[in-house]
Order: sequence, then structure tokens, then C-alpha cells
Amino acid sequence: ETGVTQTPRHLVMGMTNKKSLKCEQHLGHNAMYWYKQSAKKPLELMFVYNFKEQTENNSVPSRFSPECPNSSHLFLHLHTLQPEDSALYLCASSQESGAGETQYFGPGTRLLVL
Amino acid sequence: GDSVTQMEGPVTLSEEAFLTINCTYTATGYPSLFWYVQYPGEGLQLLLKATKADDKGSNKGFEATYRKETTSFHLEKGSVQVSDSAVYFCALTGSPNGGTSYGKLTFGQGTILTVHP
Repeated sequence: ETGVTQTPRHLVMGMTNKKSLKCEQHLGHNAMYWYKQSAKKPLELMFVYNFKEQTENNSVPSRFSPECPNSSHLFLHLHTLQPEDSALYLCASSQESGAGETQYFGPGTRLLVL
Repeated sequence: GDSVTQMEGPVTLSEEAFLTINCTYTATGYPSLFWYVQYPGEGLQLLLKATKADDKGSNKGFEATYRKETTSFHLEKGSVQVSDSAVYFCALTGSPNGGTSYGKLTFGQGTILTVHP
């Protein structure tokens, strides 16, 4: 596989469920990102990891818990979500986390919270 | 903080028409500027970028010029195709002297483009 992959592509969960989103990059990059894409809103950066260390948490509620075990993998653990959390969750990676760096995006996980 | 404003969509054009999607930004210092495209059911792909003033990014017939004086990065294509139908996002990353926005991608709201045969 090449590029950035995300699983699952679609997820339906209840408000009491716990689930995890997975992202894997095959580009040898050192920075990884989670974004949220909601209808009629700009993409929102959620978290940034650089060399496995979290360098940005954009005031994300604690019901979203990221994990970066190595530079190639990034997870987003979900628990007790709300219906307004339904969105497309996009993962991205870049060589470094810096100005001018091109971020490469995965296809996203479409999440529906019932 | 940094912000990006794109022209309101949706934009509907006939094949071979000229395309302009306006993008203006607010940022301190010298940000890097990007256009990303999202085809239906897919993630975002980099279309083009420019990292300093007066640079022109180009790819697949699309062009955008980094205009510091007007804080703009308008996307243009001379002759659009049906396959260009997608959502286009203008974005920036802050500059090293731009404080907390350094390295962080800030997106505009996206412009939906539909091209008819």
C-alpha cells in the first residue's frame, strides 16, 4: 500500500460505544495529523504529532483521545460521543511539521453517531 | 489568528469555460499558501502551492500566484473539464515568525465546483 490509509472508511456508533479510528502512512513521514470535516464548516485541525510527540491539541473534547505509537501509525479513540460529532475524520502526514510542508491526506472515515 | 476566506460557492460552469476561485488570507509574516482538491468520496489532494511572494504554483492546468500586496492566492484555469468537478480548498501554514500558527494548516471553507458537458 502507498500513501495514507484509514480504517474503517465508514463507522456508525451509539453514544455509549467505544471505537477507534486507525491511520497508517507509508511515506516515511515524521508528522501526523487528525482533522474533522463537518458539513458547512472549514476543516478543523484536531491534533498534531511530530516524531510521536503531541505538539498540538486544538481544544478538542476529551471524548476524543489520540494515540501515536510510532511515526507510521495514528489512532483516534472515541468514547461517549455526541450526535454533533458525526463528520468525516481525515488523517494526514507530512515530512515534518513546519511551514510550507505539504500534507498528504487519507480518504477519511465517515462517522455517524446515533 | 490566521484565517482564509474563499469565494462563496457553489460554482457551476460549462466545459471549456474559464475558472477563477478567489482566495484571500490574513496572517502575520510570510505564510505558505496551498490549494487542495477533494474529489467525491476521497480525501484531500494537494493541487499546488507557493511558499513566497510572487511565486506561481501550477499543476494540471491550474495556476495561482502568491500576491503579498493583496494577500490573495486566486485559483485559475483556462479551460475546465467535467473531471475538474470537486471541492477546492485554499489553505495556509503560518511562517516561522508567525507565532502559534507555525506549521499549522488553516483552511478556507471550500468551494464546490460543478462542470457540465
